[in-house]
Amino acid sequence: ILNVEQSPQSLHVQEGDSTNFTCSFPSSNFYALHWYRWETAKSPEALFVMTLNGDEKKKGRISATLNTKEGYSYLYIKGSQPEDSATYLCAFGQGGKLIFGQGTELSVKP
Amino acid sequence: DTGVSQDPRHKITKRGQNVTFRCDPISEHNRLYWYRQTLGQGPEFLTYFQNEAQLEKSRLLSDRFSAERPKGSFSTLEIQRTEQGDSAMYLCASSLRGPYNEQFFGPGTRLTVL
Repeated sequence: ILNVEQSPQSLHVQEGDSTNFTCSFPSSNFYALHWYRWETAKSPEALFVMTLNGDEKKKGRISATLNTKEGYSYLYIKGSQPEDSATYLCAFGQGGKLIFGQGTELSVKP
Repeated sequence: DTGVSQDPRHKITKRGQNVTFRCDPISEHNRLYWYRQTLGQGPEFLTYFQNEAQLEKSRLLSDRFSAERPKGSFSTLEIQRTEQGDSAMYLCASSLRGPYNEQFFGPGTRLTVL
């Protein structure tokens, strides 16, 4: 059984804090690692698709790194804002499907 | 709006009833996926189609679940004889073919079985 683990499960930070989450996944048969942001009552929104060991991607204040040899990815948010409050999901691509972690729920207080 | 749409957004039903959900993918996408998400968990894969062909089904998809994509465009997911354990968010996604392509998600259908 293929496991994708995310930590922490939840995080409460103050506006302006920087934060990071971890996603661990199997290091064998790697295709791609996806990050999504899911706000309540909205569709999950794709943030990054990462395919190469050492990949670093950035979108505004959010960035992500990838280590396929050891099987982990980090997501960083610099200067968190209340609108960053959401559940952040990582997913391991396996053939046609995605295997998701349980998510990290981020709450940013003004 | 050219995103993935799902209907209905919410469904409340009594145990034992049948329910059907619809998903309309992004028009040029040839792959369509169904996932289920329960409280505190990430989405779990149920099944996916390439055009009208159903290529993979999860063991989670019991005999009471059936999915179709008859013309390779929209898809339906039917649950027969619903049980309380079927209460979940049912998500649909679509993508172009290929292992690196983003899957674009709809807003989901929230099913509550009483």
